Amino acid sequence: AQSVTQPDIHITVSEGASLELRCNYSYGATPYLFWYVQSPGQGLQLLLKYFSGDTLVQGIKGFEAEFKRSQSSFNLRKPSVHWSDAAEYFCAVSAGGGNKLTFGTGTQLKVEL
Amino acid sequence: SAVISQKPSRDICQRGTSLTIQCQVDSQVTMMFWYRQQPGQSLTLIATANQGSEATYESGFVIDKFPISRPNLTFSTLTVSNMSPEDSSIYLCSVDGSPVRVDTQYFGPGTRLTVL
Repeated sequence: AQSVTQPDIHITVSEGASLELRCNYSYGATPYLFWYVQSPGQGLQLLLKYFSGDTLVQGIKGFEAEFKRSQSSFNLRKPSVHWSDAAEYFCAVSAGGGNKLTFGTGTQLKVEL
Repeated sequence: SAVISQKPSRDICQRGTSLTIQCQVDSQVTMMFWYRQQPGQSLTLIATANQGSEATYESGFVIDKFPISRPNLTFSTLTVSNMSPEDSSIYLCSVDGSPVRVDTQYFGPGTRLTVL
């Protein structure tokens, strides 16, 4: 069965600082990996995804993520955080082909001004 | 990506009643999904809804409690039946990125349900 672990429940960073959110997955085959962001009172917005090819993927809002098969990781990064990035971030995995998403427990990001 | 809307956006209901949540998308999609997000928790899939067939439910969710309809390729409903306070959650529908990005899911804004 597929699973996702986000080890950090809460992270606080200063505005302008760099950010890395960790995500580890468990899946038997090549996973389809996603990062979503949920702002307070909002639905989920897709930040980026990885299916195959280049292991460094670029997303919206200046985010990027790197797929590392050897570490079963798909960490999300941003070089300079903005106050508007404060939100909850979810990593998810699927088998592709319209299969369900399995989500991690989420990381709540707080940005200090 | 598709524009997805949900109605109602929020509701407060009495225990023992039922609520039907609507999900409308502005383009035809193959698959629609319903997720539950309990307070402070992550998202859990309730069921997958394909047009013209019965919904497929995940372990722990049953049709009698969460009946789902999918009458066409742009619309689905989820009913939360005989509600209890434990059903207080955000309910989100998602759709696949048909016809091009079928491996990606896009989410609606969610329905915030409070059961008293």
